[in-house]
Amino acid sequence: AQKITQTQPGMFVQEKEAVTLDCTYDTSDQSYGLFWYKQPSSGEMIFLIYQGSYDEQNATEGRYSLNFQKARKSANLVISASQLGDSAMYFCAMREGRTGNQFYFGTGTSLTVIP
Amino acid sequence: KAGVTQTPRYLIKTRGQQVTLSCSPISGHRSVSWYQQTPGQGLQFLFEYFSETQRNKGNFPGRFSGRQFSNSRSEMNVSTLELGDSALYLCASSLPAGKNTGELFFGEGSRLTVL
Repeated sequence: AQKITQTQPGMFVQEKEAVTLDCTYDTSDQSYGLFWYKQPSSGEMIFLIYQGSYDEQNATEGRYSLNFQKARKSANLVISASQLGDSAMYFCAMREGRTGNQFYFGTGTSLTVIP
Repeated sequence: KAGVTQTPRYLIKTRGQQVTLSCSPISGHRSVSWYQQTPGQGLQFLFEYFSETQRNKGNFPGRFSGRQFSNSRSEMNVSTLELGDSALYLCASSLPAGKNTGELFFGEGSRLTVL
């Protein structure tokens, strides 16, 4: 079974609008971390936001927020007030407590911001 | 503070050859991980090194190997190259998860083309 599932291969959003990128995960660990990364066309992976499995509050970092629903095993990324520079691939990732520093990545969502 | 540096950025090899990729982590980071990124498979974990020891290994054949030096710099080697080894190879370094999120800091990658 896939550890991380991203069901939206491509998304379009109007500039200044909000967009939600979906991510579901699969783990039997109690301790795990969820991450979102952005990969522009240049190729470098940029860390955006982190949510720990024991965190009760949803994580926020500027225009990024993570909608964490533990019972549903989902960790959706919400980008508010989209900008043209947000056009990129977005990857959801998980680190399980028992596997040390091994990260599992989803297949990514390509976001295009339309002016 | 310098980021993760990978060399070379681009290289072209032919089937049967071998290749060595280098990664210099962020100063103070002792964990170095390697990932293979392809359009079809996304990011796949290769291996992780910490203090010169391989801590985790992904599901790749023995042709893929790595090592870490005492200064935390890491190399990965792919022997007997196959066409399917064409990919972007990403190196990432991190601090131990604990008081911080332990997110991965990625280099810009080494793009390998096998002809």
